Amino acid sequence: GESVGLHLPTLSVQEGDNSIINCAYSNSASDYFIWYKQESGKGPQFIIDIRSNMDKRQGQRVTVLLNKTVKHLSLQIAATQPGDSAVYFCAETGLNTGNQFYFGTGTSLTVIP
Amino acid sequence: KAGVTQTPRYLIKTRGQQVTLSCSPISGHRSVSWYQQTPGQGLQFLFEYFSETQRNKGNFPGRFSGRQFSNSRSEMNVSTLELGDSALYLCASSFGQGAGELFFGEGSRLTVL
Repeated sequence: GESVGLHLPTLSVQEGDNSIINCAYSNSASDYFIWYKQESGKGPQFIIDIRSNMDKRQGQRVTVLLNKTVKHLSLQIAATQPGDSAVYFCAETGLNTGNQFYFGTGTSLTVIP
Repeated sequence: KAGVTQTPRYLIKTRGQQVTLSCSPISGHRSVSWYQQTPGQGLQFLFEYFSETQRNKGNFPGRFSGRQFSNSRSEMNVSTLELGDSALYLCASSFGQGAGELFFGEGSRLTVL
């Protein structure tokens, strides 16, 4: 079956530092990837996405890197702020599977003021 | 623009009962997906509806069912509840037919006693 996993379940960073959250996936046919942020008591919130024809995409303070060779995805957050404290999930889906996403187990990011 | 609305937010049921959860997608969104979130299994795909048709179904027993109405609102039903069905049930809507950004509601927290 599908397998999307995270290397680290928890991550603590100092405010102002950069954060890197990693994700491994197993399906080489995966075509579309999304990073979500989930705060306590809320639903997941879209951060950034990337398609398999790209290897890097940048947003506001965030960058997603995709390495299809080793089936690895990472999320970089620049100048991490206390409001970035949350659980971060990677999610992937393949061609012709609509919105049937497979989610990773999540990484809990804690920002230390 | 109103977000995805899920009702009820919290509910408590006993084993053997059934439950119906409701989801109103963002206006104009025609795809509605349902996910189950538990501490042990993470986020797992239940099913997706597009224009009143079930497009994809996850690996859940037949006790889990859903439907979508002509106004894109969706309901999911769980019959013969088991203790293991206790979870946060998340609804997500998306605009198009292909894979795209999912907008999640805040979920319905189901506790089965």
